Amino acid sequence: DSGVTQTPKHLITATGQRVTLRCSPRSGDLSVYWYQQSLDQGLQFLIQYYNGEERAKGNILERFSAQQFPDLHSELNLSSLELGDSALYFCASSPRLELAEAFFGQGTRLTVV
Amino acid sequence: EDQVTQSPEALRLQEGESSSLNCSYTVSGLRGLFWYRQDPGKGPEFLFTLYSAGEEKEKERLKATLTKKESFLHITAPKPEDSATYLCAVLDFGNEKLTFGTGTRLTIIP
Repeated sequence: DSGVTQTPKHLITATGQRVTLRCSPRSGDLSVYWYQQSLDQGLQFLIQYYNGEERAKGNILERFSAQQFPDLHSELNLSSLELGDSALYFCASSPRLELAEAFFGQGTRLTVV
Repeated sequence: EDQVTQSPEALRLQEGESSSLNCSYTVSGLRGLFWYRQDPGKGPEFLFTLYSAGEEKEKERLKATLTKKESFLHITAPKPEDSATYLCAVLDFGNEKLTFGTGTRLTIIP
């Protein structure tokens, strides 16, 4: 158990819908990262938050957004969903701004039908 | 742009048969190279961080080494429970994101 909690574990939704994925980082970790993992691609970095502020952005679509709340949990919002958004979405946390090592949650498997 | 290439894509070994996995990388300035293990349907599990060429780290049957262009994950006398996908990732200076390779899927046959 990495200490990073993601909910829900599985999500099935229709195209055009909007979903919210939730992540609770390890106790004391200020940085939260979101990654997408598709079958045909490796882990792709989406976005990073540190202590409530956005710090880095990767290949995140405009339809996707995220935020980190004062209690340090984070949410990833995916809207106008398309079939190609089906993937595993992972959250990771680390204690510092500089990424020494990241601990990953178990992921949310999103299926868009 | 940072690039990470892992080889082979898949590797099948008999139990006890030692081998190595390769991770070649291109970065402007390496801050760290990371190895993770990922079981199917689960999140990556952190194994090692290497920071400079010549550095080595060991954990049970695994040993990671680093040069200026690549890293190797050596597995000695593997057991079936070592079967997993092994991911390599790099962190560049001035960059907060890990760039991952696509992994090596390792299968250990009893």
